Amino acid sequence: NAGVTQTPKFQVLKTGQSMTLQCAQDMNHEYMSWYRQDPGMGLRLIHYSVGAGITDQGEVPNGYNVSRSTTEDFPLRLLSAAPSQTSVYFCASSADRRGVLTFGAGSRLTVL
Amino acid sequence: RKEVEQDPGPFNVPEGATVAFNCTYSNSASQSFFWYRQDCRKEPKLLMSVYSSGNEDGRFTAQLNRASQYISLLIRDSKLSDSATYLCVVNMNRDDKIIFGKGTRLHILP
Repeated sequence: NAGVTQTPKFQVLKTGQSMTLQCAQDMNHEYMSWYRQDPGMGLRLIHYSVGAGITDQGEVPNGYNVSRSTTEDFPLRLLSAAPSQTSVYFCASSADRRGVLTFGAGSRLTVL
Repeated sequence: RKEVEQDPGPFNVPEGATVAFNCTYSNSASQSFFWYRQDCRKEPKLLMSVYSSGNEDGRFTAQLNRASQYISLLIRDSKLSDSATYLCVVNMNRDDKIIFGKGTRLHILP
């Protein structure tokens, strides 16, 4: 039982490059979300989805795009990376919308 | 006022002591509350849900005070392994947003 799988674990980008952080879950969870975690800032919600074809913005959505074409996958796209997007990114999923989340191991992104 | 607020600490507590944290939330319509634990450089993991009547899981007790809009976590007989960051989580009950506090760092001292 893999749970929530995030790839890549580490990535270094140059300013202006684009990339996609992948997130997949095998628990048939409807709810999926992306958070970023910066020192002293806790986890901040970027985007979330309550089901395939439905996405919505969180607290800090600017500079990020998401889509949810299947229940299993919820990729996070950075179209033009900026140094301010250097962070640790966590994907999470849930069987309901209450707040019982299963997290992936995280993706550490550095933008130079 | 931030939606979910916690004292960042750190709380430095001797082994065996009792320690308590609070977390305040801004939206009175919030319905679901949780405590998560995060170890250094790891993902957060659910510690316990917080129910209106209060609930206990071993050495851990969680309580909800709706009137004052805060939740609390009490750890009794603290162990070295309890050293971690404790994150308060609130479902805002609008738009299905699940919001984290910034976390409280706990160091248990031998």
